[in-house]
Amino acid sequence: TQLLEQSPQFLSIQEGENLTVYCNSSSVFSSLQWYRQEPGEGPVLLVTVVTGGEVKKLKRLTFQFGDARKDSSLHITAAQPGDTGLYLCAGGDTNAGKSTFGDGTTLTVKP
Amino acid sequence: EAQVTQNPRYLITVTGKKLTVTCSQNMNHEYMSWYRQDPGLGLRQIYYSMNVEVTDKGDVPEGYKVSRKEKRNFPLILESPSPNQTSLYFCASSLKSGTYEQYFGPGTRLTVT
Repeated sequence: TQLLEQSPQFLSIQEGENLTVYCNSSSVFSSLQWYRQEPGEGPVLLVTVVTGGEVKKLKRLTFQFGDARKDSSLHITAAQPGDTGLYLCAGGDTNAGKSTFGDGTTLTVKP
Repeated sequence: EAQVTQNPRYLITVTGKKLTVTCSQNMNHEYMSWYRQDPGLGLRQIYYSMNVEVTDKGDVPEGYKVSRKEKRNFPLILESPSPNQTSLYFCASSLKSGTYEQYFGPGTRLTVT
């Protein structure tokens, strides 16, 4: 069974601070996704990274896929209260059905 | 509107009483999957389906059944629910597989007493 470990599990910061969330595994994934989930709703995709070393930016969010495709990070610059939520990483193999999710990072950004 | 729907949204039942949670998608997706979400454990995959009549076990399939007779529907069946199946359940679909963007339903909160 492939496992994805996220850290930290909980993060509480003030508006305007920067933060990084990590997603690590001993397994290689062909692609890795980051989702954001708000209370009472299902997760929504933020980004998919597929190439080792790849960096993708989505406004104030920067995603990086490790060179060996075993880990990923999500960096948020100047966090805002609207960034509050549960962040989940998910990995899988191309055209495979199994999808592995990390245990999540709960982010709270205080005004 | 493209969406994944689940019913019911909330369900309280008793141990041993068979139940079905329905899931339907209107995006003509080939891939569908069921997950359960428990505090501190993220999302764990129960079953998935790569296409009609093709289903396979995820990481936590014990106590659950699924079927995929039509492309749009993927019901989750609990033949004899037990308290340890109390959880938040999500259905998801994607174009081809789990590595494509998955669209999630709104969730079904199940309590088994």
